[in-house]
Amino acid sequence: GAGVSQTPSNKVTEKGKYVELRCDPISGHTALYWYRQSLGQGPEFLIYFQGTGAADDSGLPNDRFFAVRPEGSVSTLKIQRTERGDSAVYLCASSLTPTARFATQYFGPGTRLTVL
Amino acid sequence: AQTVTQSQPEMSVQEAETVTLSCTYDTSENNYYLFWYKQPPSRQMILVIRQEAYKQQNATENRFSVNFQKAAKSFSLKISDSQLGDTAMYFCAFMKHAWGGSEKLVFGKGTKLTVNP
Repeated sequence: GAGVSQTPSNKVTEKGKYVELRCDPISGHTALYWYRQSLGQGPEFLIYFQGTGAADDSGLPNDRFFAVRPEGSVSTLKIQRTERGDSAVYLCASSLTPTARFATQYFGPGTRLTVL
Repeated sequence: AQTVTQSQPEMSVQEAETVTLSCTYDTSENNYYLFWYKQPPSRQMILVIRQEAYKQQNATENRFSVNFQKAAKSFSLKISDSQLGDTAMYFCAFMKHAWGGSEKLVFGKGTKLTVNP
């Protein structure tokens, strides 16, 4: 079946602009995660959805970052007033259920965001 | 908070040889999972192998195996018969078990592995 998809693959924007990054999880996966990977670093957790609700947003760096998942499938990560420090690869992952037995997360190819 | 440390920023190995990547972690949790992910230049994170902390037996997946030492909080990855396609960044990751809650992954900084012909 299809894996996790993310669009766009690359996004270049100017400082101060608003951007939206989209994630399509694997069909039937109820849990969805966003991570941010800066150059030369491992991914860092941003936010987790179980169904439509954001169950854990403790990784969002500030209130310029927001994410939604209105129908429990596709998710959009929204960044307002972008700053150069927001430049990174944004990864999305999904898992079948957050319970122990199916803890494996499957990742999308990421969106590379560049803020000029 | 959990931390994951990968002390080898870069490693190289000759094709067909064996290489071991190191990972240590720090946690006060008793129930958790450990993972090795591979990230080639395409950026796609691919699961290589996973280990449940409650299992004493080390996980294996074809040419990939782990040495899980729970008391020492060590989780190394051994790649046997290395292939050119194994060239990638390798990330060690920790996930605590949270009943019905967020099971976010905590990643190390990665090890860049190069397999030479």
